[in-house]
Amino acid sequence: KAGVTQTPRYLIKTRGQQVTLSCSPISGHRSVSWYQQTPGQGLQFLFEYFSETQRNKGNFPGRFSGRQFSNSRSEMNVSTLELGDSALYLCASSLPGDRALGSYEQYFGPGTRLTVT
Amino acid sequence: AQSVAQPEDQVNVAEGNPLTVKCTYSVSGNPYLFWYVQYPNRGLQFLLKYITGDNLVKGSYGFEAEFNKSQTSFHLKKPSALVSDSALYFCAVRLLAPFSGGYNKLIFGAGTRLAVHP
Repeated sequence: KAGVTQTPRYLIKTRGQQVTLSCSPISGHRSVSWYQQTPGQGLQFLFEYFSETQRNKGNFPGRFSGRQFSNSRSEMNVSTLELGDSALYLCASSLPGDRALGSYEQYFGPGTRLTVT
Repeated sequence: AQSVAQPEDQVNVAEGNPLTVKCTYSVSGNPYLFWYVQYPNRGLQFLLKYITGDNLVKGSYGFEAEFNKSQTSFHLKKPSALVSDSALYFCAVRLLAPFSGGYNKLIFGAGTRLAVHP
């Protein structure tokens, strides 16, 4: 099976611009989560999508948004970019979990490295 | 507050020696615990998980981890380290939403850099 793919791998934007990142999950995986990784804050949860619905959200401002399509592919958008948004953005997919089956591990893509200048 | 702690920023070990990367957690209820590894310029790779059952969990690449409920720890171990094991290791706990979905929120530790010297 192909792994999680993310595009683009590298991106350079200027402050004030907006950006859209894309994630294609492993075939058959319907849950997609996004994380931000920075040297200072480590790995932080952004949000999770399942069946085109946001199921969970981390503590990020409203400039960070996402969506999921019917084929489980997901995008995240950051508007009005700030210097502090420079980070590695990781997408992870897994089989859908419920209260009894929340044991599934997540599989991560290689990430998109966003640099804001 | 629910959290995961990795008390060591870096662990140094000689090739062939056993290694341990420490992780402690603080969560309500029974934890779902995971270990991931990250190589430079790569995403995270799943190593192993503890859900229930045997306290000693075996995973990929010869790694294993021991769940200790009384000490709220989930230390990662390997009997004989390889230079290729040098990477950044993350412990994570899954937070379970009490009444609804959203079971894929992982809380990560800060990471421990493992350096294996020849």
